[in-house]
Amino acid sequence: KQEVTQIPAALSVPEGENLVLNCSFTDSAIYNLQWFRQDPGKGLTSLLLIQSSQREQTSGRLNASLDKSSGRSTLYIAASQPGDSATYLCAVPNTGNQFYFGTGTSLTVIP
Amino acid sequence: GAGVSQSPSNKVTEKGKDVELRCDPISGHTALYWYRQRLGQGLEFLIYFQGNSAPDKSGLPSDRFSAERTGESVSTLTIQRTQQEDSAVYLCASSPGTFAIGGETQYFGPGTRLLVL
Repeated sequence: KQEVTQIPAALSVPEGENLVLNCSFTDSAIYNLQWFRQDPGKGLTSLLLIQSSQREQTSGRLNASLDKSSGRSTLYIAASQPGDSATYLCAVPNTGNQFYFGTGTSLTVIP
Repeated sequence: GAGVSQSPSNKVTEKGKDVELRCDPISGHTALYWYRQRLGQGLEFLIYFQGNSAPDKSGLPSDRFSAERTGESVSTLTIQRTQQEDSAVYLCASSPGTFAIGGETQYFGPGTRLLVL
């Protein structure tokens, strides 16, 4: 069974800092990897999706990288803002249409 | 357009009672997922519906859990004889595509917060 781990579990940074969130997975035979954002009391919002053939994806201040062979993905957030405060989750699907989610990184950006 | 909606948003029940949670997916989405998120833990897959195919129930934790979907619309998740360990946020998601491996993203509802006393 695929296991997805995220480090750190929580992170607090001052506004304006660049930061990196880490995601690792045990089975490297993935088709894609997605990063989601979860705000308190709300559902998840998809941020970036990286196909297995891709190395990275960018959207605005967000950049996600994927290294399948080592079972790792990183989410880089540039010039963090208080509005970035949320829990960030990574997820990988298996062939059975199940998504395996990490436990998330809770980010707080201090104004 | 409207996103995924779930009801109720919060539910408090007594141990042993049955509860029914509802999910309205985005219109036209053929795939629907239910997840459970316990406090401080990641999302746990429960069940997956795809069109008229037999659902993937492999994630349901016990026979007290069941789910139904009417065609490609509303889904209900039923928990019978609730236990305190069932307390969690239950999230529903829908997707327009047929396979997660194809890179279809999921659109999540706000969740139902269930507390079993």
